[in-house]
Amino acid sequence: GAGVSQTPSNKVTEKGKYVELRCDPISGHTALYWYRQSLGQGPEFLIYFQGTGAADDSGLPNDRFFAVRPEGSVSTLKIQRTERGDSAVYLCASRPSGGSTRAGELFFGEGSRLTVL
Amino acid sequence: SQQGEEDPQALSIQEGENATMNCSYKTSINNLQWYRQNSGRGLVHLILIRSNEREKHSGRLRVTLDTSKKSSSLLITASRAADTASYFCATANSGGSNYKLTFGKGTLLTVNP
Repeated sequence: GAGVSQTPSNKVTEKGKYVELRCDPISGHTALYWYRQSLGQGPEFLIYFQGTGAADDSGLPNDRFFAVRPEGSVSTLKIQRTERGDSAVYLCASRPSGGSTRAGELFFGEGSRLTVL
Repeated sequence: SQQGEEDPQALSIQEGENATMNCSYKTSINNLQWYRQNSGRGLVHLILIRSNEREKHSGRLRVTLDTSKKSSSLLITASRAADTASYFCATANSGGSNYKLTFGKGTLLTVNP
């Protein structure tokens, strides 16, 4: 597709369950970012990938959160033993490679809204 | 943690008026960007200003950057009801190979018809 695609758009789960959120970036974009946004707040950085490897995972709040990008394209954010405080919109963004004239900006998906009951 | 801090948190104006939002940040940057977010949607990039630039224009948008004061402003001229959204500044760290964008808390702009 033309833009960043995130699935599911909405996910309701129970406390303690495991959740996977998927991001399909714009084709050819080498960098992929995950952010978390709570109501009324700005996006909070979680992790970013350059290719297949995590270039910076300093924003992951604890070891219940994990993300992968095995083939350098689609990424999955995995949350184990979900807690009510994990409820938020999880945003994915991708960025072209450094040689592009638009290398600085991020292209965001519509987000996955996670609700933990 | 959030690097940028937008001011004001909320702004309500009439259609046709200008809207000014400010952003302050704490550490050295490579560039500063402004994004817009409509309610319930993803963020859309508006404009990027590099650390060696002082002013940039794009349509009805004007961005300034003062690196000595670690601040930026976004001016939207001749506002329209469709400009109603949240606006975020984001800073890209300087130095190193990592390219991480850190967002502020945003300004909620309401343009009344």
